Amino acid sequence: DAKTTQPNSMESNEEEPVHLPCNHSTISGTDYIHWYRQLPSQGPEYVIHGLTSNVNNRMASLAIAEDRKSSTLILHRATLRDAAVYYCILIPYFGNEKLTFGTGTRLTIIP
Amino acid sequence: DTGVSQDPRHKITKRGQNVTFRCDPISEHNRLYWYRQTLGQGPEFLTYFQNEAQLEKSRLLSDRFSAERPKGSFSTLEIQRTEQGDSAMYLCASSPDRPSSGNTIYFGEGSWLTVV
Repeated sequence: DAKTTQPNSMESNEEEPVHLPCNHSTISGTDYIHWYRQLPSQGPEYVIHGLTSNVNNRMASLAIAEDRKSSTLILHRATLRDAAVYYCILIPYFGNEKLTFGTGTRLTIIP
Repeated sequence: DTGVSQDPRHKITKRGQNVTFRCDPISEHNRLYWYRQTLGQGPEFLTYFQNEAQLEKSRLLSDRFSAERPKGSFSTLEIQRTEQGDSAMYLCASSPDRPSSGNTIYFGEGSWLTVV
């Protein structure tokens, strides 16, 4: 399975943009790039996904490198509620049965 | 709310006792997954159902663990003769059968197990 690499932790000031990086150098052509976040004592929550083009939704934006070997989750204006562990994972078009999560990036928001 | 539902949310049990967790997937999601998560780690795959058929099991799923999905609806995960090492959060997730919307899977809020 293709793996992802993320920094263990990041900090950001409240109301400022946050850029969370993810490397996935062994990504295959049919892998979707997904981001989930996990608040304390809760299950992972879907944030956003993309294949080749940059994506925007109400929660965040996803910027995908042209070679697809890296991506960046962008929170445009961080709030205290965005403090969570963020996971970048690859989900194949065929076969989402067994996903591999790393340890994610623990995002701390400074008031 | 029509998300994945798990019950109970928290369970404290004595070592050696049996515990059972229930998962109700999102309506019409044919695929159902169980993951386990320990403190500081990401979720780890345990098993996967396509309708009522259990199609894949991780080596993490020892003989003391059994999962069922009768009639392809809700699922149960039973742990027999619990050990302290079983203490973790057990996550259930579901997804539609056909790849759609990025093949996204949706997680429940998890069931915390503490074995004392």
